[in-house]
Amino acid sequence: GENVEQHPSTLSVQEGDSAVIKCTYSDSASNYFPWYKQELGKRPQLIIDIRSNVGEKKDQRIAVTLNKTAKHFSLHITETQPEDSAVYFCAALWDGGYQKVTFGTGTKLQVIP
Amino acid sequence: DVKVTQSSRYLVKRTGEKVFLECVQDMDHENMFWYRQDPGLGLRLIYFSYDVKMKEKGDIPEGYSVSREKKERFSLILESASTNQTSMYLCASSPSSGRSEQYFGPGTRLTVT
Repeated sequence: GENVEQHPSTLSVQEGDSAVIKCTYSDSASNYFPWYKQELGKRPQLIIDIRSNVGEKKDQRIAVTLNKTAKHFSLHITETQPEDSAVYFCAALWDGGYQKVTFGTGTKLQVIP
Repeated sequence: DVKVTQSSRYLVKRTGEKVFLECVQDMDHENMFWYRQDPGLGLRLIYFSYDVKMKEKGDIPEGYSVSREKKERFSLILESASTNQTSMYLCASSPSSGRSEQYFGPGTRLTVT
């Protein structure tokens, strides 16, 4: 089955700096890579996703890059703000089947004002 | 707006009790999932269902069972609760086609004493 590794487990940045979270996956059949954000006490919510036919995707201050050959993908947050503080989960799945998602272990991001 | 609800936010049960956790979604999604969330371990899939009365084991099914008698409802059952099942349980749903986003419920914090 799929295995997703995520690093780092914790990340502290100064407000305004950039943050990068990296994930690797093992199953070359995976073709959809979502990122979820979970604020303290709340449910995870999708913030950005990328499919395997795309190398990069941006949405305002967040971007995701994918390297299919190396089987890794990354989340980039620029100009971080205190409200970016949360736990971020990467995930991988093959969306042609039962939508079974494998999540990474999460990164707790703290943005220091 | 997709709504996924769970029957309880907090639950305290004794060792050996049978525990039912219920999840209901209102978006006619085919897929439903049960995860447990533990610090440092991320979101681990217990069971999922891609149709009524259909179920598939996830990565950690031992000690759990599920039931899906209606499309909108997915139940997680702990046949004989143990202290190592103390955790946060999250339900999610997703459509079979289109964007593979998972919509999460608010979670149930289960404590087994």
